[in-house]
Amino acid sequence: DSGVTQTPKHLITATGQRVTLRCSPRSGDLSVYWYQQSLDQGLQFLIHYYNGEERAKGNILERFSAQQFPDLHSELNLSSLELGDSALYFCASSVAQGGRNPSTDTQYFGPGTRLTVL
Amino acid sequence: GEDVEQSLFLSVREGDSSVINCTYTDSSSTYLYWYKQEPGAGLQLLTYIFSNMDMKQDQRLTVLLNKKDKHLSLRIADTQTGDSAIYFCAEGKNDKLIFGTGTRLQVFP
Repeated sequence: DSGVTQTPKHLITATGQRVTLRCSPRSGDLSVYWYQQSLDQGLQFLIHYYNGEERAKGNILERFSAQQFPDLHSELNLSSLELGDSALYFCASSVAQGGRNPSTDTQYFGPGTRLTVL
Repeated sequence: GEDVEQSLFLSVREGDSSVINCTYTDSSSTYLYWYKQEPGAGLQLLTYIFSNMDMKQDQRLTVLLNKKDKHLSLRIADTQTGDSAIYFCAEGKNDKLIFGTGTRLQVFP
């Protein structure tokens, strides 16, 4: 158990809908990262928040948004869902930010939320 | 580009050594990581190596880094059925990890 929690575990919804995925980082971690894992795209970085502020954006669609709250939990909002959005969405957390120093930047991953869009 | 490449599959007999290879892209990446993903689970950090090191050993795991060729490998000694999983290499770049395509390791008795 990494200490990172994600809810829900599974989500099934229809095209055009909107969903919210939730992540609670490990106690003491200030950074939250979101990744998408799909069969055709592999594991892709979406966005990074550090202490409530957006730090870096990856291949995140405009239909997707995220935020990190004062208690450091984060939510990933996916709207106008399409079939191709079906994937595993992972959240990771680290103490600090960046990928430069494993002692503070090692990312610990949650179990993921499996999103199925029908 | 940002493609980190790995071979897709590896099949080994229980008790043998497994070697999973990775070619990364950015010579300025400071740290390189190996993660393991078991079926239906998240990613578990196995080990990492600093870019100025050639080798790191951690129990049954040995990481070799050839910085000139941007080649990283993970050797698992005495591979067990419990090692069956997908293994991802990743390079730490600024605020994110760039993951490889993943290698599915299958261990047969």
